[in-house]
Amino acid sequence: GAVVSQHPSRVICKSGTSVKIECRSLDFQATTMFWYRQFPKQSLMLMATSNEGSKATYEQGVEKDKFLINHASLTLSTLTVTSAHPEDSSFYICSASLGARWGNQPQHFGDGTRLSIL
Amino acid sequence: KNEVEQSPQNLTAQEGEFITINCSYSVGISALHWLQQHPGGGIVSLFMLSSGKKKHGRLIATINIQEKHSSLHITASHPRDSAVYICAVIIQGAQKLVFGQGTRLTINP
Repeated sequence: GAVVSQHPSRVICKSGTSVKIECRSLDFQATTMFWYRQFPKQSLMLMATSNEGSKATYEQGVEKDKFLINHASLTLSTLTVTSAHPEDSSFYICSASLGARWGNQPQHFGDGTRLSIL
Repeated sequence: KNEVEQSPQNLTAQEGEFITINCSYSVGISALHWLQQHPGGGIVSLFMLSSGKKKHGRLIATINIQEKHSSLHITASHPRDSAVYICAVIIQGAQKLVFGQGTRLTINP
């Protein structure tokens, strides 16, 4: 079945550090990938839609310069949290689906990255 | 009011019990997903529905488009079913998932 690999699974770093999270579709091509954030005991919130070869579409309230998204190939999207602060500590998770008509396809999720900023 | 509402928020049951989790939504959708999130955070897609009913092992998902309602059922529940179950919808014309707040299920042995 379709597998999405997310790396790293956990990051602990100092305030001011930039952190890069990778999301790879291992056995399929993903034109569109999605990045979510989840705070403890809350639901997932979509941060941005990552489109291969073009700029990401950010949800309202998500800072583009803070959360840099790059989707350079059909199998890799990266999320970089720039100059991270303690309030950025959260669980970040990506998803992807087969092909361009993603609305008719199941979503496949990475295992998530737990980010802790000290 | 959230576009997707789940009930109950928390559910504790004994092993073997029949479990039902409900999801109501207030918008037109093109599909509905049931997801399972384990304590470590990883998410597994259980079902994607646009009509009718689907079954996979002990899991059954139904959807009533007219009533804007879906249910997830677990038969012969087991402690390994303990997880957060999330309902998510694709709003018609929107290229994104909108999530319910999740139902935390605990099955005691």
